[in-house]
Amino acid sequence: GAGVSQTPSNKVTEKGKYVELRCDPISGHTALYWYRQSLGQGPEFLIYFQGTGAADDSGLPNDRFFAVRPEGSVSTLKIQRTERGDSAVYLCASSLWWNSPLHFGNGTRLTVT
Amino acid sequence: QKEVEQNSGPLSVPEGAIASLNCTYSDRGSQSFFWYRQYSGKSPELIMFIYSNGDKEDGRFTAQLNKASQYVSLLIRDSQPSDSATYLCAARGSTLGRLYFGRGTQLTVWP
Repeated sequence: GAGVSQTPSNKVTEKGKYVELRCDPISGHTALYWYRQSLGQGPEFLIYFQGTGAADDSGLPNDRFFAVRPEGSVSTLKIQRTERGDSAVYLCASSLWWNSPLHFGNGTRLTVT
Repeated sequence: QKEVEQNSGPLSVPEGAIASLNCTYSDRGSQSFFWYRQYSGKSPELIMFIYSNGDKEDGRFTAQLNKASQYVSLLIRDSQPSDSATYLCAARGSTLGRLYFGRGTQLTVWP
């Protein structure tokens, strides 16, 4: 079946702009995760959804970052007033249950100029 | 602070050799552990997961877990140049679904 789908694959935006990153998880997976990864680093946790609710949003760096999953499937990560330090690859992953392995999408490379 | 530590390498082995990748974790309550392979410019790909103490084998890969020592390892037998990648170790926290990742170990297998 289809894997985790992320769009866009690349996003270039100017400092101060608003961006939305979309994630479509594997069908039937109840858990969805957002991570971001900078060059030479491991993935850094942002937020985790179980169903429609955010079970753990402790990784969101500040209130410019927000994520939703209104129907328990597709999720959108929203970043307001982007800063150059937000530049990274944003990875979405899903898992069948909270204790199952994560399967990652291809990521969205965000560049803030 | 829950952490996963890996030797960043680089680790270089000849083709056909055994590559040994190691990882330690700080959360003693962690119950499940994962190894991901990441090629340059690509996203992490699940290789192995292990929940119980001991060894778990899948083809050329063996994951080893020692909860008392808070130590996880990945052995790659008969290493191939196509195994050259960064290997990420991850531990699932004791209470929630999030995974904590190490920085990864860069492996190069030379022909």
